[in-house]
Amino acid sequence: GQSLEQPSEVTAVEGAIVQINCTYQTSGFYGLSWYQQHDGGAPTFLSYNALDGLEETGRFSSFLSRSDSYGYLLLQELQMKDSASYFCAVRNQGGKLIFGQGTELSVKP
Amino acid sequence: DADVTQTPRNRITKTGKRIMLECSQTKGHDRMYWYRQDPGLGLRLIYYSFDVKDINKGEISDGYSVSRQAQAKFSLSLESAIPNQTALYFCATSDLLATGELFFGEGSRLTVL
Repeated sequence: GQSLEQPSEVTAVEGAIVQINCTYQTSGFYGLSWYQQHDGGAPTFLSYNALDGLEETGRFSSFLSRSDSYGYLLLQELQMKDSASYFCAVRNQGGKLIFGQGTELSVKP
Repeated sequence: DADVTQTPRNRITKTGKRIMLECSQTKGHDRMYWYRQDPGLGLRLIYYSFDVKDINKGEISDGYSVSRQAQAKFSLSLESAIPNQTALYFCATSDLLATGELFFGEGSRLTVL
């Protein structure tokens, strides 16, 4: 079967750094994506890791370890607008994305 | 105009009614998807289509059907709606997914009474 695990909630303060972890089990792993969703709006793509290592895009970075079936999203210099739900998603050999249950990030002043 | 458009955006209906949610896209993508979102359960794949002649069941296809009328149009139907189909439904598109990126519509919020 396929499953993804991520924390349901994370709280951090403005200006801090927060890491959202994701572990997965899947057949035919091709890559790990991250999405952001504000208040039930359209999920928006943040990053994708197909190979081991760190990918950086501005304040956001994403890491993948294929041998550990593990990845994380790192958000630096947190801003209030970063309060949202964050989803990891596995791209599997069937050519589709399977999503985790999401992590709700609350950024406090 | 949005690249991926869903109609209706909100719908309230009664148990037993037939409902169709429509999705159209201007991105020129071959692949289209329907996801369902419930609080605390993330996004679950209902059906997906890699081209006009290709339709595949996802994780939770029971009680749903789809139609791919053209490359740009992909409709989701609930033949006889039931209350536990109350959810937020998203249509998405992609190219070959080499970059892991889906493009989502704004969602259709369905309430079944």
